[in-house]
Amino acid sequence: GAVVSQHPSWVICKSGTSVKIECRSLDFQATTMFWYRQFPKQSLMLMATSNEGSKATYEQGVEKDKFLINHASLTLSTLTVTSAHPEDSSFYICSARKLAGAPYEQYFGPGTRLTVT
Amino acid sequence: GQQLNQSPQSMFIQEGEDVSMNCTSSSIFNTWLWYKQDPGEGPVLLIALYKAGELTSNGRLTAQFGITRKDSFLNISASIPSDVGIYFCAGVKETSGSRLTFGEGTQLTVNP
Repeated sequence: GAVVSQHPSWVICKSGTSVKIECRSLDFQATTMFWYRQFPKQSLMLMATSNEGSKATYEQGVEKDKFLINHASLTLSTLTVTSAHPEDSSFYICSARKLAGAPYEQYFGPGTRLTVT
Repeated sequence: GQQLNQSPQSMFIQEGEDVSMNCTSSSIFNTWLWYKQDPGEGPVLLIALYKAGELTSNGRLTAQFGITRKDSFLNISASIPSDVGIYFCAGVKETSGSRLTFGEGTQLTVNP
């Protein structure tokens, strides 16, 4: 199997607060996890690539101090949206690549709907 | 930004019809992946293609990796209502590590 979970599935927070989203690979070890955001009726945009035990690599235009990523183990990565603002409201999706498996195949979590009021 | 052109953007078909969608790029990709996303969910991997010219099936789904390595198509045969959703192509470039580039998606609606 290749099951990826995310928690929470949805969250509402006030402007200025921080929110942490967890991404877990439940039945496999993941060398690499990826964080995407998706606006309504749009495609997925890669925010950052997270490797276990090392710093995340952020895509151009993504603020690393605002979107903190920690990949503490081969089964867990977290994304913290700091000082959230309404424009950060989006659908955040993580994916994971197996430690031993077909190259490039990514398995996605169910997503986290963030609403900042 | 997006480098994959996916078409059509949307399709409205009758149950039982066949469906075809494709992705093209001006760049060469060495892997093509097709995903389906249901509302409020993450994408689910349908088919992965690794070699130019490769034709792979998964049930009623068939996908091909274009010979030029710049395109791929997905066919769905005998569509059923549960095929409704958004289909995304995604490509991996040789120089991009394992980063995926996604197409804009094709919204499929199947009328019973």
